[in-house]
Amino acid sequence: DVKVTQSSRYLVKRTGEKVFLECVQDMDHENMFWYRQDPGLGLRLIYFSYDVKMKEKGDIPEGYSVSREKKERFSLILESASTNQTSMYLCASASQVGELFFGEGSRLTVL
Amino acid sequence: ELKVEQNPLFLSMQEGKNYTIYCNYSTTSDRLYWYRQDPGKSLESLFVLLSNGAVKQEGRLMASLDTKARLSTLHITAAVHDLSATYFCAAPPSGGGSNYKLTFGKGTLLTVNP
Repeated sequence: DVKVTQSSRYLVKRTGEKVFLECVQDMDHENMFWYRQDPGLGLRLIYFSYDVKMKEKGDIPEGYSVSREKKERFSLILESASTNQTSMYLCASASQVGELFFGEGSRLTVL
Repeated sequence: ELKVEQNPLFLSMQEGKNYTIYCNYSTTSDRLYWYRQDPGKSLESLFVLLSNGAVKQEGRLMASLDTKARLSTLHITAAVHDLSATYFCAAPPSGGGSNYKLTFGKGTLLTVNP
């Protein structure tokens, strides 16, 4: 079974802190994604990566950056967390037919 | 801009009844995906539809794809309480290839009542 593991299930941070969310997949997938999910707004794509060191902005990249140094690992970075970044963050990797496999999610609260 | 619209957004059903969730999308892609999300949990892949006319079934759920109408349906047969969840459809952009940047519908919250 494909496994996508997100490093933290729940985080509480203060405004201005730097936040790292890490995601690891074990199926050698090339494409990896970071979404955020908010009530009433659904899932929105923040960034995706189609290869090591390659990334593209999604629909809402402002305030975020990403890192993909190894194929299996895709990290989301909030350089200076703000309260409007309180959300559920979902990492996913894609099979060759485009089927997304999601991690369990990281619920971030920024105070 | 790619649009994916689901309806209804909220669906309350009685056990044993049938119903259909609709997913309209604006891309010309021939792929469509369905996911399920339980409260407080992440998304789980349900169906991958890869061509016009594709039909997939799993238990009481059946998904189909009509690329000409840009419509996918998720049909629920004889609903049971365990099917209560939020269901999302998702479509890739036009052009196919290896671009898997999916756009999700807003989800349909299904509640099955005894």
